[in-house]
Amino acid sequence: DAKTTQPPSMDCAEGRAANLPCNHSTISGNEYVYWYRQIHSQGPQYIIHGLKNNETNEMASLIITEDRKSSTLILPHATLRDTAVYYCIALRISGTYKYIFGTGTRLKVLA
Amino acid sequence: DGGITQSPKYLFRKEGQNVTLSCEQNLNHDAMYWYRQDPGQGLRLIYYSQIVNDFQKGDIAEGYSVSREKKESFPLTVTSAQKNPTAFYLCASSIAGSGNTIYFGEGSWLTVV
Repeated sequence: DAKTTQPPSMDCAEGRAANLPCNHSTISGNEYVYWYRQIHSQGPQYIIHGLKNNETNEMASLIITEDRKSSTLILPHATLRDTAVYYCIALRISGTYKYIFGTGTRLKVLA
Repeated sequence: DGGITQSPKYLFRKEGQNVTLSCEQNLNHDAMYWYRQDPGQGLRLIYYSQIVNDFQKGDIAEGYSVSREKKESFPLTVTSAQKNPTAFYLCASSIAGSGNTIYFGEGSWLTVV
């Protein structure tokens, strides 16, 4: 499974878009990019995932570069409740059940 | 409500004692997982199970044991052999087949006193 690299922390002003980058330069063609977030002392919450195309749901948008070596999670209008640790994971489509969570990006939304 | 229930939320254990953390899911998921999280760290996989009566070791299985007698249940026992058991423990599940979204419970805090 590909290793992912994320900045350890980021700040964002409330109401502005939060753009969280993830580098997965060794990703292979059969690996999805998944994003989760974890609010302190709670279980991680699924946000979004994608393979090649950009994806959008009610929580966020996922932009994957054409070469798939990096991606960006976009929270369009960040609120204080979006303060959390955000994890980017590369997950193989088949052959493994090992979801590997690194240390993520600690996003702080500022009032 | 459908979901994953972990209990207890907080547990204190004396050194040398075994303790069992409960995980129940009513999502009809085949696969279940246990992760450990230390403060400020990411998640590390302890054990996972793809089907009833079968489970595999993750990256840090030493000092832990599991069972999978029912599809809905995947209890984790932290044994006295686990040298540093104080941590946040997370149970998760997913439908069968890798590449499927994994869903987490709310976690259990274990403290050794």
